[in-house]
Amino acid sequence: ETGVTQSPTHLIKTRGQQVTLRCSSQSGHNTVSWYQQALGQGPQFIFQYYREEENGRGNFPPRFSGLQFPNYSSELNVNALELDDSALYLCASSLGTSVHSGANVLTFGAGSRLTVL
Amino acid sequence: DQQVKQNSPSLSVQEGRISILNCDYTNSMFDYFLWYKKYPAEGPTFLISISSIKDKNEDGRFTVFLNKSAKHLSLHIVPSQPGDSAVYFCAAPHTGNQFYFGTGTSLTVIP
Repeated sequence: ETGVTQSPTHLIKTRGQQVTLRCSSQSGHNTVSWYQQALGQGPQFIFQYYREEENGRGNFPPRFSGLQFPNYSSELNVNALELDDSALYLCASSLGTSVHSGANVLTFGAGSRLTVL
Repeated sequence: DQQVKQNSPSLSVQEGRISILNCDYTNSMFDYFLWYKKYPAEGPTFLISISSIKDKNEDGRFTVFLNKSAKHLSLHIVPSQPGDSAVYFCAAPHTGNQFYFGTGTSLTVIP
């Protein structure tokens, strides 16, 4: 059983650029969620993808967008990068969309660390 | 709006002693809580959970206690081992598909 893999592990961008982060979900999982973890903070929910559609979004602007592919892998795209976008971006997969009442436990990847200069 | 709070950024404990990590929450609608453990350069991994219908859940050396009236939960690790040194996040699910995470507590177990 393969876990969640993310790429790249580290990257540096400059303000105003665009970035694409990639995630392969755990075998058997059909749902992908993305979280942003800024330095000294806990992970914050960006959005979730299920059946190739966005299925819930946190308090992030539209320049954060995503995709999910038929094989359940996913991309996170961030346009017009700002300094505050510097963070660890975590992808998590699950079997099913609901996390209510313990319905699903997220399996996280190791993350992509983005530095915006 | 920080709905899940971990007020202790760090904790140091001697090997063999008890580690107690605390978490407070503000939303009384939360019905399930989880603890995740994170080592450097790795993603968070699920450790233990508790439903709001219980006040205690135990799994080996790890026990989570829930006090609903105080909106407080704690993770006890007994006995603590050096391999337990990691960042621990408390989390609660809300609105069906997202988790709220605390800011984490970095535990160091001293050999």
